[in-house]
Amino acid sequence: DTAVSQTPKYLVTQMGNDKSIKCEQNLGHDTMYWYKQDSKKFLKIMFSYNNKELIINETVPNRFSPKSPDKAHLNLHINSLELGDSAVYFCASSQDYGFGRSRETQYFGPGTRLLVL
Amino acid sequence: GNSVTQMEGPVTLSEEAFLTINCTYTATGYPSLFWYVQYPGEGLQLLLKATKADDKGSNKGFEATYRKETTSFHLEKGSVQVSDSAVYFCALSDPLSGGSQGNLIFGKGTKLSVKP
Repeated sequence: DTAVSQTPKYLVTQMGNDKSIKCEQNLGHDTMYWYKQDSKKFLKIMFSYNNKELIINETVPNRFSPKSPDKAHLNLHINSLELGDSAVYFCASSQDYGFGRSRETQYFGPGTRLLVL
Repeated sequence: GNSVTQMEGPVTLSEEAFLTINCTYTATGYPSLFWYVQYPGEGLQLLLKATKADDKGSNKGFEATYRKETTSFHLEKGSVQVSDSAVYFCALSDPLSGGSQGNLIFGKGTKLSVKP
């Protein structure tokens, strides 16, 4: 009965490859997020997405693209992986009650540890 | 822009010691404030939150009070245990920036180690 799940838990790959990380939430939330945690534990938002809008952090390279087949899933696709993409990627979800009221708790997945060689 | 600053670690304490982890913020609107905890090898879990000035969030013996006048949300616990060893993140969510979803903006995290 995991609320937010991610697969895979670990991902080791070569530079230049394309990979995807999957995220699913069973909380009925309509907003999902991707965060990146670097080697110093610093967490930064990459994307937030619901059926109304996708918001992209402008510092995220366009090699990263979120894909949402339905409200319960937000996958992260990465093209042409680079060494600097090595990090832990966290998916999260929350309920969106509309502009100015989106202060609900975000629930995080367990993370996907990506290592690019 | 919005930002969160928290004290740098690591913090090492003996069991039953008093804990304070300082957190201050800057925000353009009226943010909600959060403390998240990350145990070794795990994802983030919400520890506590406060959504308006003077609110106190509390959970598992931890407390933090939303102080608008000092723009602070310091985390405290009266008596820490070995099981509290983790990385603690202060965060804010301000729906007035970053779109309607109110993206979380995190501090850099403070690693706490509690020795028996």
